[in-house]
Amino acid sequence: SAVISQKPSRDICQRGTSLTIQCQVDSQVTMMFWYRQQPGQSLTLIATANQGSEATYESGFVIDKFPISRPNLTFSTLTVSNMSPEDSSIYLCSVEVNGLNTEAFFGQGTRLTVV
Amino acid sequence: QKEVEQNSGPLSVPEGAIASLNCTYSDRGSQSFFWYRQYSGKSPELIMSIYSNGDKEDGRFTAQLNKASQYVSLLIRDSQPSDSATYLCAPANQGGKLIFGQGTELSVKP
Repeated sequence: SAVISQKPSRDICQRGTSLTIQCQVDSQVTMMFWYRQQPGQSLTLIATANQGSEATYESGFVIDKFPISRPNLTFSTLTVSNMSPEDSSIYLCSVEVNGLNTEAFFGQGTRLTVV
Repeated sequence: QKEVEQNSGPLSVPEGAIASLNCTYSDRGSQSFFWYRQYSGKSPELIMSIYSNGDKEDGRFTAQLNKASQYVSLLIRDSQPSDSATYLCAPANQGGKLIFGQGTELSVKP
């Protein structure tokens, strides 16, 4: 597995503002992902963070709302832009350590509340 | 039809019993299957992976896979109160991305 550090662990933000979440891994990994978990729901994939190129977004998610950076193989950021109360969720960073078997591990998550 | 469906919970079992968690998936191309455990307020934790038809045992956990039936299950033997959590089934689709089910909440009563 890998040690994944995600911060902040939680935040309360005003609507209309933006929050950047950081994900740091203790080893180089090929694949990094960002998920959202809305209250009482399962995990939904937002995007795949690609090193050195633009992230690949899933249906329903756009770059303007969720810009992602991945400057190297150990670090990524997700920004939640122009927040509204509907963005209140847990945001999770995930990495695949073994690319062949797609075993994925998660950071501790960021609990975001938008007021 | 949802891509991944799990038996609806909450599932309540007495301590020491076997808990059975079920999952069906729609993508016939899925080759890798994972079970995650998520305690309330925590992030998901990988507990089992299975890639071939049949059973895979790891301690008190047994994963069962039947690709022809598009079915995967997780059995927890000798259930303990500490097993109380939500269990998420996650097949990997043909693109290698995990698709999560809605989860089954398990409650083990002392």
